[in-house]
Amino acid sequence: SQQGEEDPQALSIQEGENATMNCSYKTSINNLQWYRQNSGRGLVHLILIRSNEREKHSGRLRVTLDTSKKSSSLLITASRAADTASYFCATDAVGNEKLTFGTGTRLTIIP
Amino acid sequence: GAGVSQSPSNKVTEKGKDVELRCDPISGHTALYWYRQSLGQGLEFLIYFQGNSAPDKSGLPSDRFSAERTGGSVSTLTIQRTQQEDSAVYLCASSLEGTGGAGSPLHFGNGTRLTVT
Repeated sequence: SQQGEEDPQALSIQEGENATMNCSYKTSINNLQWYRQNSGRGLVHLILIRSNEREKHSGRLRVTLDTSKKSSSLLITASRAADTASYFCATDAVGNEKLTFGTGTRLTIIP
Repeated sequence: GAGVSQSPSNKVTEKGKDVELRCDPISGHTALYWYRQSLGQGLEFLIYFQGNSAPDKSGLPSDRFSAERTGGSVSTLTIQRTQQEDSAVYLCASSLEGTGGAGSPLHFGNGTRLTVT
């Protein structure tokens, strides 16, 4: 079964605005990762946050992790048309050594 | 350097036929995953290889599906007696280390789009 659930399922914003996507998961994790997928093919790794970290930045990306609420958020600032893609969170659950993916958020940036 | 390579990129087969999908991971990566993605859906875990450990096959949907990883490198996913519901994109990924602890990002291939007619 899916470990993670992204919210919202789809998001459309104007170019230049910020986009926020959320991920909730069910069991304790070692780490959480975010990936981007363009056009239904291979995924690209964006950022990894460990269970003892609360916030991480990479360029225009900001990821937060709240282990008490079993949730994470991905913020993309100053969005660009090229950010249009599907975004997935993936979790590595404690005691269950495989990386499982959520259902994804489809982000559309309107020029 | 070279990324994860999958072949073929597209495969059309008739219902009931067997298919083999190939994945060449990044050299030196000890972990290898197979996932399946149906149109507009998330990734469904299939199988996970980590070093010399027994693979985690818990995601394989039926005994028609099998996978092997020879010499800790190339992997082949085999689907026997294909059914129309097997139509999907099959994604392979590798990582330098396995899961657990600090974690390691996955590097994905571009997938094989399988269509069963």
